Amino acid sequence: AQSVTQLDSHVSVSEGTPVLLRCNYSSSYSPSLFWYVQHPNKGLQLLLKYTSAATLVKGINGFEAEFKKSETSFHLTKPSAHMSDAAEYFCVVSDRQAGTALIFGKGTTLSVSS
Amino acid sequence: SQTIHQWPATLVQPVGSPLSLECTVEGTSNPNLYWYRQAAGRGLQLLFYSVGIGQISSEVPQNLSASRPQDRQFILSSKKLLLSDSGFYLCAWRLAGSSYEQYFGPGTRLTVT
Repeated sequence: AQSVTQLDSHVSVSEGTPVLLRCNYSSSYSPSLFWYVQHPNKGLQLLLKYTSAATLVKGINGFEAEFKKSETSFHLTKPSAHMSDAAEYFCVVSDRQAGTALIFGKGTTLSVSS
Repeated sequence: SQTIHQWPATLVQPVGSPLSLECTVEGTSNPNLYWYRQAAGRGLQLLFYSVGIGQISSEVPQNLSASRPQDRQFILSSKKLLLSDSGFYLCAWRLAGSSYEQYFGPGTRLTVT
C-alpha cells in the first residue's frame, strides 16, 4: 500500500531564510508524488508534481522538490521564505488502485516570522 | 480553462438534519471526481470518488452518500447529520487518462451543532 509520512508537523523559519519540509513515501511501484499548499479555510493548490521524469522538480512560487528513490524521500525546499509562504503543506502520493485517488500526509504547518 | 465550484462555502446544521453539498466543474468533460473531508489535525480523508455518471465508489462506510447526476456535477448528501460529520469538505477533479494530480475546489466548512 502507498503512504506518505511528513516528518515535521510544524516548521518555523524567519523571512529570507531557507525552507525545508520533509516527506518520506512508501510505494510498491514507481509513484507519482505531489506537494500541495493550503492557506487557512481555502482549497488546496498544487505546488509541484513528480511523475518519473526529472528527479528535481520545480514548482510555483520558487518551491522545488527532489525525488530520491534510494532514500524514498521527496523533500520540499525554497531558498528564501516569504511571509506569504505561511500555510499548511501536504505531501501526497497517488493510489493507482483506488480510482487514482490521492493519499495525503498529515501536513506540515509552515510559520514565517519577520 | 477549468474551474471547480463548491457551495455553500459555510454551513451550520443541527444534529439529525439532512445535508446536501454540491460541486460542479467547468471546462472539461468526463472528469474523475472526488470528495474529501478534512478534520482538524488529521489531513485529508477520501470519502467518495466517481469515474463517470452514476458510478460512485465509497472509501469510508458512514452515514454520507454521494451521487453524480451529471457529467460535471458531484453531490455529497446525508439523511441525518452526526456531530462527527463536522469538518472541511473538499471536492476535486482529475482529467481521466492524464497524470494523477487533482485540482481542488474552495471547500465547504460544515459545523454540526
